[in-house]
Amino acid sequence: AQRVTQPEKLLSVFKGAPVELKCNYSYSGSPELFWYVQYSRQRLQLLLRHISRESIKGFTADLNKGETSFHLKKPFAQEEDSAMYYCALSPLTGGFKTIFGAGTRLFVKA
Amino acid sequence: DAGVIQSPRHEVTEMGQEVTLRCKPISGHNSLFWYRQTMMRGLELLIYFNNNVPIDDSGMPEDRFSAKMPNASFSTLKIQPSEPRDSAVYFCASSYHYSGDTQYFGPGTRLTVL
Repeated sequence: AQRVTQPEKLLSVFKGAPVELKCNYSYSGSPELFWYVQYSRQRLQLLLRHISRESIKGFTADLNKGETSFHLKKPFAQEEDSAMYYCALSPLTGGFKTIFGAGTRLFVKA
Repeated sequence: DAGVIQSPRHEVTEMGQEVTLRCKPISGHNSLFWYRQTMMRGLELLIYFNNNVPIDDSGMPEDRFSAKMPNASFSTLKIQPSEPRDSAVYFCASSYHYSGDTQYFGPGTRLTVL
């Protein structure tokens, strides 16, 4: 069955420190992976997706098919990065719905 | 485009009352999703539509919940009767296709059932 696992519910780092939010997935086909971000009391919005291979707000994510992971990384965390981050998986072919992980709350301390 | 529009933004009601949440997807999007977000359970997919047809409603918690999409520009999520445990933020999202595409979320409706 398709599954997305975000092992950390809460991640707390100091400003300027590197940050890595983990995402592991279970899917046998060709996945498209997403990271969505939700700032305090705002709507969820796309941060980045694998297929576009962009760096948004300094964040990057690499799809590792061998480890079935799509970890989100940023070399120097900023206070404004504090938010809820959701990893999501969707098939590039085939018709099942997008699956979201449980989310990781990132708290960047001054 | 104004993005996905939801109304009302806040709803406070008493247990047993009917609640109707509304959503207008982005024009041209073929798929629409209803989610519920709580601290305890995170983000849960309730139901999604493709071309106005419900595809998967397995996430709807019970018969008190129903959703409709009478046309491509409007959807409703109804709870009747409402209960305190239904208190949550309800998000609507739309996308061009229900798999493989970015979903665009509305601002959410914060529902409080007293």
